[in-house]
Amino acid sequence: DTEVTQTPKHLVMGMTNKKSLKCEQHMGHRAMYWYKQKAKKPPELMFVYSYEKLSINESVPSRFSPECPNSSLLNLHLHALQPEDSALYLCASSQGQVMNTEAFFGQGTRLTVV
Amino acid sequence: AQSVTQPDIHITVSEGASLELRCNYSYGATPYLFWYVQSPGQGLQLLLKYFSGDTLVQGIKGFEAEFKRSQSSFNLRKPSVHWSDAAEYFCAVGAREYGNKLVFGAGTILRVKS
Repeated sequence: DTEVTQTPKHLVMGMTNKKSLKCEQHMGHRAMYWYKQKAKKPPELMFVYSYEKLSINESVPSRFSPECPNSSLLNLHLHALQPEDSALYLCASSQGQVMNTEAFFGQGTRLTVV
Repeated sequence: AQSVTQPDIHITVSEGASLELRCNYSYGATPYLFWYVQSPGQGLQLLLKYFSGDTLVQGIKGFEAEFKRSQSSFNLRKPSVHWSDAAEYFCAVGAREYGNKLVFGAGTILRVKS
């Protein structure tokens, strides 16, 4: 199984809502990532978890809150988002440090904030 | 600052024609180099990677890439393009100086005309 599964595939939320994005992998990878991708742009790293601990936060606003409940799951909790937060949110995982191993990406969650 | 440059935003080729997508990086030592492909609204799939050794690497779907240290380049090639190759292609670089993350180029959108 070389899949990273993200749910939901699409999400529309209001600026006062609270929602969560979920990511799951069963490859035994110990590093998991959240990326944000705006249209016609490359993915931008948001967070990195290594061995279930947050190791990198790329100065992401606090309205985005990551959580890694166990080694297979990664969540991204969303609260009080802005329309400019609308984007494709990609989850990825890797066996080791992504700089020298392959990162596997999920299909993404298309988020629209209204 | 380290950077990854994909000079071509769009490329259009005829089906059956050869393809070369350019990637240049700015970094002192030999980085870890990747090419990813993304179909519209989808996640990223790894095509190939270079860490060390033979500078010509083979990937999936008939793609190959050549690392040229003197030119700081890692260009992606395919001898005969298929309509299903239409997608966006991202070059990415990992290096110790970047920490546990990839730095992506801006991407090249490939269009295939029949």
